[in-house]
Amino acid sequence: DVKVTQSSRYLVKRTGEKVFLECVQDMDHENMFWYRQDPGLGLRLIYFSYDVKMKEKGDIPEGYSVSREKKERFSLILESASTNQTSMYLCASSPRTEIRRVYEQYFGPGTRLTVT
Amino acid sequence: AQSVTQLGSHVSVSEGALVLLRCNYSSSVPPYLFWYVQYPNQGLQLLLKYTSAATLVKGINGFEAEFKKSETSFHLTKPSAHMSDAAEYFCAVRRRAGNMLTFGGGTRLMVKP
Repeated sequence: DVKVTQSSRYLVKRTGEKVFLECVQDMDHENMFWYRQDPGLGLRLIYFSYDVKMKEKGDIPEGYSVSREKKERFSLILESASTNQTSMYLCASSPRTEIRRVYEQYFGPGTRLTVT
Repeated sequence: AQSVTQLGSHVSVSEGALVLLRCNYSSSVPPYLFWYVQYPNQGLQLLLKYTSAATLVKGINGFEAEFKKSETSFHLTKPSAHMSDAAEYFCAVRRRAGNMLTFGGGTRLMVKP
């Protein structure tokens, strides 16, 4: 069965702390994604990785960075957490994009981060 | 650029009633469209996807959606709501680049006994 796991379900951090959110998938997927989810705004893409060490900025990358050293693991880093980064963070993965194939994204359970 | 609008952030229906969740998209190319469901304290799960093979798409748990190009819509329906359908529903469109998705704002479905 397909599985995407995230290191924490709930996390509370202080303003200015460096925060690491970890995501692991066991499906050998090339693509991995980080989203944040806020009420009324749906999911917004923070970063996307299509291969090891490869990344692309999404729609709201400011204040975030990512790391992908191994195919199965994609980390989201908040260099200096701020209160406006309090949110639900969702990780997802999918197979490599193909022109004539449409793949779904598989999501982890999410990490609810509170920055105080 | 692709975009998605979900009309109604909250929808309430009685158990056994028709469920209709609205989604309109904007896309400069033939779209690939998705409906996801999020149950409380869980991640998103795929309900169904439109890939241009058929305009009426059947998904899991009795849900279906119809692609209407003339109306740029992809509304989600279910003939008879169950209490277990209470969740948040997201419509999404695949972007031209990569396998990235653009999501709508979500619709929270409440089912009354």
